[in-house]
Amino acid sequence: EVQLVESGGGLVQPGGSLRLSCAASGINFGNFWMSWVRQAPGMGLEWVANIKEDGSEKYYVDSVKGRFTISRDNAKNSLYLQVNSLRADDTAVYFCARVRRGGYFEYWGQGTLVTVSS
Amino acid sequence: QSALTQPASVSGSPGQSITISCTGTSSDVGGYNYVSWYQHYPGKAPKLIIHEVSNRPSGVSNRFSGSKSGNTASLTISGLQAEDEADYYCSSYRSGNTYVFGSGTKVTVL
Repeated sequence: EVQLVESGGGLVQPGGSLRLSCAASGINFGNFWMSWVRQAPGMGLEWVANIKEDGSEKYYVDSVKGRFTISRDNAKNSLYLQVNSLRADDTAVYFCARVRRGGYFEYWGQGTLVTVSS
Repeated sequence: QSALTQPASVSGSPGQSITISCTGTSSDVGGYNYVSWYQHYPGKAPKLIIHEVSNRPSGVSNRFSGSKSGNTASLTISGLQAEDEADYYCSSYRSGNTYVFGSGTKVTVL
């Protein structure tokens, strides 16, 4: 059974940091690109970052460049998102997803909520 | 990196067909056959329903179909059912290994 389980979200003050995690099972994790996608309250989905199978390539949406870092540990079947210098507009549910050739997000987790507020 | 344009809402009666549009540019929707569609119930994980413009994953109802013309992709739901009431998002690959989602469409079954 495919499972992606995010964790690490919470309430953080502006300027603060968090490390989000995504534990994968049943999806042959190390053979696929992975992504983070977020959804702010009342808003639509927004792609945040991608990482190649071996971690050698990483891409980000402009609004998080220099503040967020995507990484992975294939030995632990885990994906991470280090989020620094958080702003109020980073408040969102953060989803991890497996990316397939053909440019689509095949499997998704349930998400973890990050709230940035003082 | 602006979102793809979708209508905010579409509604239909049970049994009817509805179509949701997704308009981008030649740098995303028009430039690649990498348009996908997702069904999202609030509080749940989004679900892939169409990939690469018109392909349905195994297990997805054949009432869902996708197409593309120029910079606009479309999702059609035929034989509308109460369970189809959800939010729907398109997505497209963009150059440079980046992606963009649509603004989202709320489907209401009357």
